[in-house]
Amino acid sequence: GQQLNQSPQSMFIQEGEDVSMNCTSSSIFNTWLWYKQDPGEGPVLLIALYKAGELTSNGRLTAQFGITRKDSFLNISASIPSDVGIYFCAGHSNFGNEKLTFGTGTRLTIIP
Amino acid sequence: SAVISQKPSRDICQRGTSLTIQCQVDSQVTMMFWYRQQPGQSLTLIATANQGSEATYESGFVIDKFPISRPNLTFSTLTVSNMSPEDSSIYLCSVAPSVSTDTQYFGPGTRLTVL
Repeated sequence: GQQLNQSPQSMFIQEGEDVSMNCTSSSIFNTWLWYKQDPGEGPVLLIALYKAGELTSNGRLTAQFGITRKDSFLNISASIPSDVGIYFCAGHSNFGNEKLTFGTGTRLTIIP
Repeated sequence: SAVISQKPSRDICQRGTSLTIQCQVDSQVTMMFWYRQQPGQSLTLIATANQGSEATYESGFVIDKFPISRPNLTFSTLTVSNMSPEDSSIYLCSVAPSVSTDTQYFGPGTRLTVL
């Protein structure tokens, strides 16, 4: 089945630093989504990408849909304490499997 | 996006009992889903809740263990039956406003602990 590998698994950064994480797949997706999950909460949709090569921003967050359609990237600029949480990528394919496939997650910790 | 609520938000249950989790959406949605998130893990789809018909279960999940109801376009329930400690997880419902199942929105989750 489809698998999404997310890296890094965890990040420890200082406030104000930029963050980069990525998600790679063994197969093609038509939609890439990025979610953030705070402790004790459900995932919240951050950015949705629908077209190969698309670059979309949401405030300090920027995400890109890879040209090959097998990867996606999320960048956070000038991190702040409320950015702490787990970030999940998710991919959707129209080729027979209509399900969302979730990545393994990247845990972001900000060092005071 | 839709506002999604879940009840209960958390529960501690005894082995062998069952718990029914409710998911309520503030607007009619086409698709509703139930996910499980085991401690420290990613999300795994349990089933798609179909309005007016039996749910569609993913591999490894069966109706006897996780019966699902969806009586209308704004409400669904998931029951975790005959619970064991291995069922301790966060259970999440999600919705997709359109027939396409991309761009799903999640409820706050139900944290279940089985003793």
